Amino acid sequence: KAGVTQTPRYLIKTRGQQVTLSCSPISGHRSVSWYQQTPGQGLQFLFEYFSETQRNKGNFPGRFSGRQFSNSRSEMNVSTLELGDSALYLCASSLLQGSSYEQYFGPGTRLTVT
Amino acid sequence: QQPVQSPQAVILREGEDAVINCSSSKALYSVHWYRQKHGEAPVFLMILLKGGEQKGHEKISASFNEKKQQSSLYLTASQLSYSGTYFCGTGGSGSARQLTFGSGTQLTVLP
Repeated sequence: KAGVTQTPRYLIKTRGQQVTLSCSPISGHRSVSWYQQTPGQGLQFLFEYFSETQRNKGNFPGRFSGRQFSNSRSEMNVSTLELGDSALYLCASSLLQGSSYEQYFGPGTRLTVT
Repeated sequence: QQPVQSPQAVILREGEDAVINCSSSKALYSVHWYRQKHGEAPVFLMILLKGGEQKGHEKISASFNEKKQQSSLYLTASQLSYSGTYFCGTGGSGSARQLTFGSGTQLTVLP
């Protein structure tokens, strides 16, 4: 079974621009969560989507948004990029079977803002 | 509230054992353990749910003490491939499924 895929893997943007990252979950998984990883702040939760609905949102500004499509693929968008947005963005998919909800991470998108 | 991991770093020789702890100030519903190697995504190791269960995966096992609000990851007879940063993530129940991660424990296994 194919794992979580994320595109693009690397991205360089300039301050003020916007960016869209894509995530395809494991087949059959309907929950997609997004995390930001930086050396200073570690792994931080951005938001979770399930069946095209945002279920949870982390403590990030409104410049960070996302959506999920009917095929469970998800995108996240960051508008008006700031230098501090440079990070590894990880998405994780989950089957949400019963009370157990293992999350499997994709390889991430390394975003550099200059 | 971010869980606290200890130690922050540990260096050991192949074949030695290690324990990594994860403590939370909030009541825990689940604890998720991941290993991340440099430049790679975190890899899921195991999940422990409220109930004090212990799980094992080859030579890696973990315990979950809900009364103490902590979990421990046990690595026995370490192999070189065990090197990496270990993260614990704590999750809530119901719709609060997002994980709150500790700052990680860097494990280095030397030959």
